[in-house]
Amino acid sequence: SQKIEQNSEALNIQEGKTATLTCNYTNYSPAYLQWYRQDPGRGPVFLLLIRENEKEKRKERLKVTFDTTLKQSLFHITASQPADSATYLCALKAAGNKLTFGGGTRVLVKP
Amino acid sequence: NAGVMQNPRHLVRRRGQEARLRCSPMKGHSHVYWYRQLPEEGLKFMVYLQKENIIDESGMPKERFSAEFPKEGPSILRIQQVVRGDSAAYFCASSPERGGQNEQFFGPGTRLTVL
Repeated sequence: SQKIEQNSEALNIQEGKTATLTCNYTNYSPAYLQWYRQDPGRGPVFLLLIRENEKEKRKERLKVTFDTTLKQSLFHITASQPADSATYLCALKAAGNKLTFGGGTRVLVKP
Repeated sequence: NAGVMQNPRHLVRRRGQEARLRCSPMKGHSHVYWYRQLPEEGLKFMVYLQKENIIDESGMPKERFSAEFPKEGPSILRIQQVVRGDSAAYFCASSPERGGQNEQFFGPGTRLTVL
């Protein structure tokens, strides 16, 4: 069956360090993968989209990699700040144009 | 340019009542998606609609749940005869293009509590 897995354990990290989150998937052949941020009590906010023919994508302090052989995407937050504390969701376009989300990884950046 | 709007933000219903959740997509967006999020869980796709058409309802329970997106007015997610297990946050998202290739813009959600 199709699965999208993210580390369910919260990631505690010191301010200024790099946070690295993992998104693994099975039985998908996605053309692209998206990352979203969700704060408590709010809807997800789109961050980045990376296509299958792109190895890496950057946006300010965010970097995403996409390895279709390993079936994995890594999401990096460099020079992390307390304001980066949130839950980060990866999402794949499944059949029929819907997005399928992973369970999310909570990040807590400590000052 | 207002974002995706959902109302009500919080809805309390007793078992057996009906819940109506409304979603107004961003201006210029004609594609609407509904998701459900249970506490401490990820978002689960429910239904994808375009104006006056249901494109994909594979994630929506076949009984008690229905969705529409009329030519005029907001999209409505209707849950009839609610049960405690329907308690969740329901998010609506919209996009200007077909499918999930482009980013989806999410509303703030409606938190449904069934007593």
